[in-house]
Amino acid sequence: AQKVTQAQTEISVVEKEDVTLDCVYETRDTTYYLFWYKQPPSGELVFLIRRNSFDEQNEISGRYSWNFQKSTSSFNFTITASQVVDSAVYFCALSDSNSGYSTLTFGKGTMLLVSP
Amino acid sequence: NAGVTQTPKFRILKIGQSMTLQCAQDMNHNYMYWYRQDPGMGLKLIYYSVGAGITDKGEVPNGYNVSRSTTEDFPLRLELAAPSQTSVYFCASSFRANPRREQYFGPGTRLTVT
Repeated sequence: AQKVTQAQTEISVVEKEDVTLDCVYETRDTTYYLFWYKQPPSGELVFLIRRNSFDEQNEISGRYSWNFQKSTSSFNFTITASQVVDSAVYFCALSDSNSGYSTLTFGKGTMLLVSP
Repeated sequence: NAGVTQTPKFRILKIGQSMTLQCAQDMNHNYMYWYRQDPGMGLKLIYYSVGAGITDKGEVPNGYNVSRSTTEDFPLRLELAAPSQTSVYFCASSFRANPRREQYFGPGTRLTVT
């Protein structure tokens, strides 16, 4: 069965520090999709990125970057020069054929606290 | 577009009461989902629907029912509320079961059962 593990429950950093959020997944498929969502204190879930299993290129978007490594089944998320507004819970999620690619399996989330 | 809307935002129920959580989307999305989020936990799928008239169970369906009579609406029914159903409920939608399409989430409903 598919599974997503976010071993870091909570991370605290000081503003301008870099921080990496870990995500390890399990799936038997060769075709699957990975996602990151952000949940700020206001509660809504905001989509950040999706990546398919055939594309191992790292991606950078502003201060955000993602490192996808199939060899270690990891899809880690790095925030460079963190800001207070980055404080949120971040979820990693997986979609694979076990659900016909129609549903997401979420990790438990990592709470990031960025202090001034 | 309003996106995904949910009502109510907050609700307190007594044990054994019933209620319906409303969810609507105006993006013409085929797929709709209901999740619950408990403190310190990720989101767990309750039910989902791939189109009007079609629903399927997710990971934690017990105690809930859904219907999908229109593309736009996907209400979640709690028949006999229990304290274990205290949670934040999120509705989501996506255009297809195309994994290139992310799910769009509503603002959530915080439900307390006492």
